[in-house]
Amino acid sequence: EAGVAQSPRYKIIEKRQSVAFWCNPISGHATLYWYQQILGQGPKLLIQFQNNGVVDDSQLPKDRFSAERLKGVDSTLKIQPAKLEDSAVYLCASSAYDRVSYGYTFGSGTRLTVV
Amino acid sequence: ILNVEQSPQSLHVQEGDSTNFTCSFPSSNFYALHWYRWETAKSPEALFVMTLNGDEKKKGRISATLNTKEGYSYLYIKGSQPEDSATYLCAFNGNKLVFGAGTILRVKS
Repeated sequence: EAGVAQSPRYKIIEKRQSVAFWCNPISGHATLYWYQQILGQGPKLLIQFQNNGVVDDSQLPKDRFSAERLKGVDSTLKIQPAKLEDSAVYLCASSAYDRVSYGYTFGSGTRLTVV
Repeated sequence: ILNVEQSPQSLHVQEGDSTNFTCSFPSSNFYALHWYRWETAKSPEALFVMTLNGDEKKKGRISATLNTKEGYSYLYIKGSQPEDSATYLCAFNGNKLVFGAGTILRVKS
């Protein structure tokens, strides 16, 4: 099966600019996650979707971050405006179920550098 | 705040050495413990998902154990090879998946 697709792979922007990331999960996977991984730290969950509904966005900085999953398939994550501390790898993952016993499937991530 | 700790932070070993890492997690509200391998510029890859206390899993030269009562898991690599160089992440699956900061392994040939 095809993996989780993410784009772009790399992005460099200036602070206060906007940026958007795209994720296409594995076909049929109902649950989609966006994680932020800052250098030296573990990935942190930003938002979890079940189909096109939000299950958990408690750690999403909603003043600048937004995410949507229209039609319960693809998802986009947007940052507007970006800050220096948003420099990180943004990982998208999907799973067939909310709580899994076989691991999540991750995309290769988008590395964002804010200068 | 849920804490998942991994040690050591990084490890440099020679080819052929065996090594192990530790993951500590809360012993309450446990559902599963995940191990992932994350190579540079690639996707994190699921190695093991462990759910039962005392569980032991093996994939080639890599194995893992789980103690849910005391809240720890060990990952072992026997006879490390340069291709094992990666960041090894553990994640505690309670109500949601919470990751540790990872152990960076570098294997020198």
